Amino acid sequence: AQSVSQHNHHVILSEAASLELGCNYSYGGTVNLFWYVQYPGQHLQLLLKYFSGDPLVKGIKGFEAEFIKSKFSFNLRKPSVQWSDTAEYFCATSRSNDYKLSFGAGTTVTVRA
Amino acid sequence: EAGVTQFPSHSVIEKGQTVTLRCDPISGHDNLYWYRRVMGKEIKFLLHFVKESKQDESGMPNNRFLAERTGGTYSTLKVQPAELEDSGVYFCASSQVLSSEAFFGQGTRLTVV
Repeated sequence: AQSVSQHNHHVILSEAASLELGCNYSYGGTVNLFWYVQYPGQHLQLLLKYFSGDPLVKGIKGFEAEFIKSKFSFNLRKPSVQWSDTAEYFCATSRSNDYKLSFGAGTTVTVRA
Repeated sequence: EAGVTQFPSHSVIEKGQTVTLRCDPISGHDNLYWYRRVMGKEIKFLLHFVKESKQDESGMPNNRFLAERTGGTYSTLKVQPAELEDSGVYFCASSQVLSSEAFFGQGTRLTVV
């Protein structure tokens, strides 16, 4: 079974600070990797995804993530956060031949103005 | 285009009662998924429909949970009888055939008292 580990439960930072959220997964086979975000009162939205190819993935709203196969990691980054980035962020994986998602526990990000 | 919609947004019921949650996927999406997030834990897969057929129900907790998708359109998830540990947020997601990009609804927050 797959498991996904997110390193931080709650991150608090100021506007313009850089953000990096850690994500590690356990499955040793080929995986698809995702970061989802849930803004307050809204539905889960896809930030970015990795299936294959360039391990550095660009997403929406200035986010990017890097797949490092040797470390089973898919960390999310944003160079300069805004107050509107306050949300809960979820890392997720699926096997290449299966569409169901395995999620991490989520990281709540609070950006102070 | 309408997104994935879920009804109700909140439900508070007493232990032993029955509750039915509904999910309307994006039109044309054959894949429909149910997930659940118990307070503070990760979002966990419950089951996956392809059209009206259950493709994978390995995440269903027990036989008090019954999911249906008659006609391959909307889906219902019934909990009967509800127990305290069933409290959580129930998410529905849908995706197109052969796509692992799932679109999520806002979720139904179920509280069993």
